[in-house]
Amino acid sequence: GAVVSQHPSWVICKSGTSVKIECRSLDFQATTMFWYRQFPKQSLMLMATSNEGSKATYEQGVEKDKFLINHASLTLSTLTVTSAHPEDSSFYICSARQYEQYFGPGTRLTVT
Amino acid sequence: DAKTTQPPSMDCAEGRAANLPCNHSTISGNEYVYWYRQIHSQGPQYIIHGLKNNETNEMASLIITEDRKSSTLILPHATLRDTAVYYCIVSFSGNTPLVFGKGTRLSVIA
Repeated sequence: GAVVSQHPSWVICKSGTSVKIECRSLDFQATTMFWYRQFPKQSLMLMATSNEGSKATYEQGVEKDKFLINHASLTLSTLTVTSAHPEDSSFYICSARQYEQYFGPGTRLTVT
Repeated sequence: DAKTTQPPSMDCAEGRAANLPCNHSTISGNEYVYWYRQIHSQGPQYIIHGLKNNETNEMASLIITEDRKSSTLILPHATLRDTAVYYCIVSFSGNTPLVFGKGTRLSVIA
């Protein structure tokens, strides 16, 4: 199947700083990518839909000014967590669709 | 909200078939049934999907009832590496994002 990568796989940052997570589709082009968040012992929650060349669509309750999404090319979407706080600590997962939806390995963010 | 209902957990003996049920009584005519699994601290892995007919691939078989209101994922010979949370999702094809429910935690026991 298609491969989606994420970088970094884990990151620790201090409260108040910003963190950027990259999501790449390695062997296919994706006009649309999706960002999910998963807290411990919970299921994946859709945060936003990232569209190449246009603004992202955020799910209800997700702060678009805090979670900045940029889909600059057909193979790259980035999620920037701005002014991170401890409650933003979570497992962030991106995905892209080529026939089926393929997921990246996830990025574990810890905010201290 | 998730459109599927799955048992929260199941056990299966290693080497035996694992049969994971899913109810999706409100599925619409154009929605597919997708199965993914998530091994601890990893991204979800695609397993199989179907619309009406039963499907089989190298990982699993998918049995969909004639009325499409329920389905069963079958892992024919479960191994310890199949221990994971299995998600049954109904969704349209195309660029519709998948919405995850709580899934079934399958424990394969030696």
